[in-house]
Amino acid sequence: GENVEQHPSTLSVQEGDSAVIKCTYSDSASNYFPWYKQELGKRPQLIIDIRSNVGEKKDQRIAVTLNKTAKHFSLHITETQPEDSAVYFCAAISSARQLTFGSGTQLTVLP
Amino acid sequence: NAGVMQNPRHLVRRRGQEARLRCSPMKGHSHVYWYRQLPEEGLKFMVYLQKENIIDESGMPKERFSAEFPKEGPSILRIQQVVRGDSAAYFCASSLGTGSSYEQYFGPGTRLTVT
Repeated sequence: GENVEQHPSTLSVQEGDSAVIKCTYSDSASNYFPWYKQELGKRPQLIIDIRSNVGEKKDQRIAVTLNKTAKHFSLHITETQPEDSAVYFCAAISSARQLTFGSGTQLTVLP
Repeated sequence: NAGVMQNPRHLVRRRGQEARLRCSPMKGHSHVYWYRQLPEEGLKFMVYLQKENIIDESGMPKERFSAEFPKEGPSILRIQQVVRGDSAAYFCASSLGTGSSYEQYFGPGTRLTVT
């Protein structure tokens, strides 16, 4: 089955700096890669996703890149703000349609 | 707001009791997924259902756990004879499930505490 690895597990950045979170996946058949943000005690919220036929996607301060050959994808957050502090999860879906999640990154944006 | 609904939000059970968790998908969504999140860990897939069908239950323990999504009403995750290790947040997600629509949207979760 699919295996998703996520790094780093914790990340602290100064407000206004950029944050990058990286994930690798194992199943070359995976074709959809969402990112979720989870605040403490809340539900995971879909913030951006990318499909395997696209190399990069951007939505305001958030961007995701995908390298199918290397089987890795990354989340980039620019101009970070304190409200960006949360746990971020990457995930991958193959034909089985189940999400396989990474272990999460606790992002702290320091004011 | 026709988002994914789950109830109860919090559930306390003594060891050996049964827990029933309910999930109503977003309007128009016919695919439901259940995930379990242990404290300070990621989410793990349990089961994937469509109306009246279990599509994939590879992530669900073979004993004590069952799930259904009847023709009418919410999807139910049932845990019999709960043990302390079942304490976790249980999230369901729903998707359209048609064509290339993979987006899954999560409910608020049910936090199960076994005492």
